[in-house]
This record gives sequence, C-alpha cells and structure tokens, in this order.
Amino acid sequence: GESVGLHLPTLSVQEGDNSIINCAYSNSASDYFIWYKQESGKGPQFIIDIRSNMDKRQGQRVTVLLNKTVKHLSLQIAATQPGDSAVYFCAVSSGGYQKVTFGTGTKLQVIP
Amino acid sequence: GAVVSQHPSWVICKSGTSVKIECRSLDFQATTMFWYRQFPKQSLMLMATSNEGSKATYEQGVEKDKFLINHASLTLSTLTVTSAHPEDSSFYICSAGQGTSYGYTFGSGTRLTVV
Repeated sequence: GESVGLHLPTLSVQEGDNSIINCAYSNSASDYFIWYKQESGKGPQFIIDIRSNMDKRQGQRVTVLLNKTVKHLSLQIAATQPGDSAVYFCAVSSGGYQKVTFGTGTKLQVIP
Repeated sequence: GAVVSQHPSWVICKSGTSVKIECRSLDFQATTMFWYRQFPKQSLMLMATSNEGSKATYEQGVEKDKFLINHASLTLSTLTVTSAHPEDSSFYICSAGQGTSYGYTFGSGTRLTVV
C-alpha cells in the first residue's frame, strides 16, 4: 500500500527566512502530489499541486519540487511569515477519482 | 472557487447515541466525496469514499455498519456515527471533487466529542 512520510515533524524558522518541508512517498504509481496547510481546528487548505510530468511548479511565495527518481517531494516557502505557522501535509494520489493519501505532517513554527 | 460546507462544526453527544455530519458542495456538483478522521497531532486517515448514487467504499479497518455514509445527491454526503463511544471522539473532515478535476476541496471539519 501507499505510505507517505515526512522527514521533520517540527520546523522552526525565523521570520523572513525561507522554509523547506520535505516528504517521501513509496508508491511509484502516484502521479499527483499536493501540499496542504492546516491551521488548528480547521480543514486542510490547498497550497499547491504538481503532476508527475513536471518536476517543479511555482506559486505565490511557494515552490514544489518533485524528484520521481527518489520519490521525494518538497515545499519551499519564501520569506516565511508568522501567518505561515501551521501544520503542512503532503498528499499523493493516482489522480482522477482516486483517493488522496496524506503524509504525517510537519509543524512549521515561525519565530518573529 | 469550489466551496465545501461541513455541518456541524462541533458536536457533543452521549455514549450510545448517533450523530450525523453533513458535507455539502456549495457551488459545484461533487461526484465523489471522501471522509477522513483525524486524531490530535496526527494526520488525516481516509475512512471511506462515497460516490453519488452508489455504496461507499470503506478503507480497511473502518466498520461500515458503524460509520454510515449516504451520498444521495451530487451536492450532499452524510456520515452518521452510530452508537458512538468515547473512542469515536475525533475531528471528522470531508472533501469533495468534481468530475474531471484532480483536486479536492476540504470542508472545515467537525469536532465530535462523545461523553
């Protein structure tokens, strides 16, 4: 079955610095990858996604990198702000109607 | 953008009673909805996949007779926790997808406390 894990359970960064959150996945058939942000007591909020035919995708202050060779995914947040403090989950899917499997989560703490 | 509404946001019930949680897609038709459960400081665990007009598909280890799922229309899916026990206390979250979209929108979650 699919397993998705994160390297760091907690990440503390100084406000203004860049943050990098990593994720490893096991199923080579996964072809759709998503990063979610979850604030306390709320549902996950979509940040950015990437399909397997790409290795990099950029959004506003966020970049997702995909390395299919080593089954690794990362989320980079530029100029981290206090409002970025939350738990970040990577999630993988085989696309279409297929279920989305979540990683264990990384708590990002931004130090003012 | 796509909006998913979940209701109630929190509920407290007595052991042995049943609780119904609703998940609605407000501005799109959701052919597929997913129900997740999340314990404190843990990840989201998929419970079941519901498709409009057909039976839900439950993940291994999830009791289908305890967690009843109904996806009677393209905009509404319900999860009923039957004969709730304190160990069912958790954060329940739904997500909904559209026909050809790869992305899913999540509801705001329901905090269930069984006393």
